[in-house]
Amino acid sequence: AQSVSQHNHHVILSEAASLELGCNYSYGGTVNLFWYVQYPGQHLQLLLKYFSGDPLVKGIKGFEAEFIKSKFSFNLRKPSVQWSDTAEYFCAVKSPGVDSNYQLIWGAGTKLIIKP
Amino acid sequence: GAGVSQSPSNKVTEKGKDVELRCDPISGHTALYWYRQRLGQGLEFLIYFQGNSAPDKSGLPSDRFSAERTGESVSTLTIQRTQQEDSAVYLCASSFTGARKETQYFGPGTRLLVL
Repeated sequence: AQSVSQHNHHVILSEAASLELGCNYSYGGTVNLFWYVQYPGQHLQLLLKYFSGDPLVKGIKGFEAEFIKSKFSFNLRKPSVQWSDTAEYFCAVKSPGVDSNYQLIWGAGTKLIIKP
Repeated sequence: GAGVSQSPSNKVTEKGKDVELRCDPISGHTALYWYRQRLGQGLEFLIYFQGNSAPDKSGLPSDRFSAERTGESVSTLTIQRTQQEDSAVYLCASSFTGARKETQYFGPGTRLLVL
């Protein structure tokens, strides 16, 4: 079965530290890759996405992610985090399900806490 | 414009009772998805609606779960004879047509607790 792995369930960083959250997926075909973020008390929102082209994708709030096809990875990065980045981050892969329904397959999430 | 809305935001029920969760997708979105998020886990796909096509029910965990959608608007997810393991956040998402390159937009979720 297709799966998405996020290696760290909890990450604690100080402000201004650099961030990298790992994401690996198992599906070998054409995929679309997403990072969603859920801030405390808010609902899921899209951070960035990769469909094709440049494997380095830039998203909102200074986040970026790099698609490395040979490693089946889509790691999320930010050079300098802020306290307001405290949130839960989810990696998701869109691959065809039944009758080409493009359901999202999700990682378990990484809770990021930024210490002020 | 208005986003995806879900109701109720929280639901506490007793084991064995039926519950109904509602989702209002973004106007004009023909594709609608239901997901479940258990504590500490990623989201699990439950069911997908696309226009008037037969829904993809491949993610429903048991026959106690069912969902309906009226045309291209409101959807309801029904859980019969709830069990404690049904406790989770139930999320609804919608997109224009369900095509591969589309972003899915999520609602705030319904947090279900089965006592």
